Amino acid sequence: AQSVTQPDARVTVSEGASLQLRCKYSYFGTPYLFWYVQYPRQGLQLLLKYYPGDPVVQGVNGFEAEFSKSNSSFHLRKASVHWSDWAVYFCAVRVSGSFNKLTFGAGTRLAVCP
Amino acid sequence: GGIITQTPKFLIGQEGQKLTLKCQQNFNHDTMYWYRQDSGKGLRLIYYSITENDLQKGDLSEGYDASREKKSSFSLTVTSAQKNEMAVFLCASSMGTGDTEVFFGKGTRLTVV
Repeated sequence: AQSVTQPDARVTVSEGASLQLRCKYSYFGTPYLFWYVQYPRQGLQLLLKYYPGDPVVQGVNGFEAEFSKSNSSFHLRKASVHWSDWAVYFCAVRVSGSFNKLTFGAGTRLAVCP
Repeated sequence: GGIITQTPKFLIGQEGQKLTLKCQQNFNHDTMYWYRQDSGKGLRLIYYSITENDLQKGDLSEGYDASREKKSSFSLTVTSAQKNEMAVFLCASSMGTGDTEVFFGKGTRLTVV
């Protein structure tokens, strides 16, 4: 069965600094990968998605992620973090050909310091 | 655009009580989902429905019932609330069952005393 690991429960960065949030997946086959963001007291919103093709995908608000089959990873990056990025970030994998079931990681809580 | 509305936003129940959470979407989506979010555990799928009157069990269906009487609404019932249980229940929807974006509501926060 597929699984997703986000090894960092909490990450703190300074405003303006670069950011990387880690995601490792386990799945035999072609994964479809997603990053969602959950702002305080909000539902989840899609940041970006990877469908087989270009390994670097661009998302909203300056986020990007890079798929690595050899490392089974899909890390999220941002060049310059803004205070409004303070949120919980979830990585998810969907089994190709499935009904759209998403398997989520435990999430990484991002705090941004002034 | 559309919106997913979950009611109530906060739900406090007593041990053993049957509790119902409601979800409405105006996207005209076919597929709807209920996820449970526990702190530090990510989201786990409880039930999903691919069309009106259809119900499919997810990974965490024990202790829950669901109902999809209309295309736009999907209800979840906690059949017997467990003492000290605390979680957020998220409703979601998507156009179909293929490569389509899944949209989420803001959640219902359940506390059992």
